[in-house]
Amino acid sequence: NAGVTQTPKFQVLKTGQSMTLQCAQDMNHNSMYWYRQDPGMGLRLIYYSASEGTTDKGEVPNGYNVSRLNKREFSLRLESAAPSQTSVYFCASSEAWWGGQMNTEAFFGQGTRLTVV
Amino acid sequence: AQSVTQPDIHITVSEGASLELRCNYSYGATPYLFWYVQSPGQGLQLLLKYFSGDTLVQGIKGFEAEFKRSQSSFNLRKPSVHWSDAAEYFCAVTGYSTLTFGKGTMLLVSP
Repeated sequence: NAGVTQTPKFQVLKTGQSMTLQCAQDMNHNSMYWYRQDPGMGLRLIYYSASEGTTDKGEVPNGYNVSRLNKREFSLRLESAAPSQTSVYFCASSEAWWGGQMNTEAFFGQGTRLTVV
Repeated sequence: AQSVTQPDIHITVSEGASLELRCNYSYGATPYLFWYVQSPGQGLQLLLKYFSGDTLVQGIKGFEAEFKRSQSSFNLRKPSVHWSDAAEYFCAVTGYSTLTFGKGTMLLVSP
């Protein structure tokens, strides 16, 4: 059971280049998330998709776009990479909840280490 | 909006000694709380969760946590630490549509 799979695992970009981080889950979860992790900052939510066809901004959305391609896949795009986007990116998924407070746990991928030079 | 505070950035514990990692949360209603562990270069693994019921919850790897509403706390404990427990630990609380993390506590285990 693969769970949440992210590609690539490592990437080096030059400032101004674009790239897409891919994420797929095989748990039939409705909700998916993108977080970034920086030293001393914990994990901060970039974007999330509560269900197929919807996406919403999280805490740190600037410089990113997302696409919920289908129920399984949720991609994160950097249109013009900046050194401040050097980070470890995690995709996560969870079962659906209906309105109000999220009441299910999230499952995480192994992360993508991105360096922008 | 919800928030989580982990007051200790680093903690060093001797192998075999007991451990307590602190977590304080802020949320306007009944919180749903989690502890995750992250080994170097790895993703996050769920240790335990609290949704309702018994305020002392058991998790994997011998960890437990106690929810104290009066103190807005959800501290993680283990009676005897093993060298393999060295990792970063994150407390998290759910809010509307999202999961909010603390900044993490790095656990170092000394021989």
